[in-house]
Amino acid sequence: GAGVSQSPSNKVTEKGKDVELRCDPISGHTALYWYRQSLGQGLEFLIYFQGNSAPDKSGLPSDRFSAERTGGSVSTLTIQRTQQEDSAVYLCASSLRPDQETQYFGPGTRLLVL
Amino acid sequence: AQTVTQSQPEMSVQEAETVTLSCTYDTSESDYYLFWYKQPPSRQMILVIRQEAYKQQNATENRFSVNFQKAAKSFSLKISDSQLGDAAMYFCACLMDSNYQLIWGAGTKLIIKP
Repeated sequence: GAGVSQSPSNKVTEKGKDVELRCDPISGHTALYWYRQSLGQGLEFLIYFQGNSAPDKSGLPSDRFSAERTGGSVSTLTIQRTQQEDSAVYLCASSLRPDQETQYFGPGTRLLVL
Repeated sequence: AQTVTQSQPEMSVQEAETVTLSCTYDTSESDYYLFWYKQPPSRQMILVIRQEAYKQQNATENRFSVNFQKAAKSFSLKISDSQLGDAAMYFCACLMDSNYQLIWGAGTKLIIKP
């Protein structure tokens, strides 16, 4: 596609439920990134994929967070047993390669945990 | 540790005038890349401008230009002929050559007065 797409645009869930956030990167981009942006703050790195593998999962805040990427394309970020502090905007980005390359962002998913 | 600092939480400018947003960074690496991203209320993170540290010439993109002072580790963004559509959060970010993770500043909210 023309740009990075994410779905859903907004998600409201109840505390304790699981949620899945989807990212579809720019075609041909091998690197994919997930970031979290809490209200009024900068971006927090979560995880990075090169192809289907995730060399760096160090940014995931807890074991309730997991992510996968299939076919070197679409990625899913899953949050299990959501907590209110998980409420944030989750941004996905992709780049042609992981280094030296500009990261292009999707519109994000706003997650609200009640 | 690498850090990026934006010391201006908020700036305002009259439409058609010029405004400069400040950014400083700290890194021990010699090769890196600097970015300014714009995030309007739609929350899409949009690339404004990119600067390679090895290039002495300041990057420009239409009304947007940077003042890159490598020795001072300073990377300010100048917006000329400000337009209402420039109103947004502006984030400065740094990508190390040996890494893939963007390091972000806290952002500056730019207000355009009509």
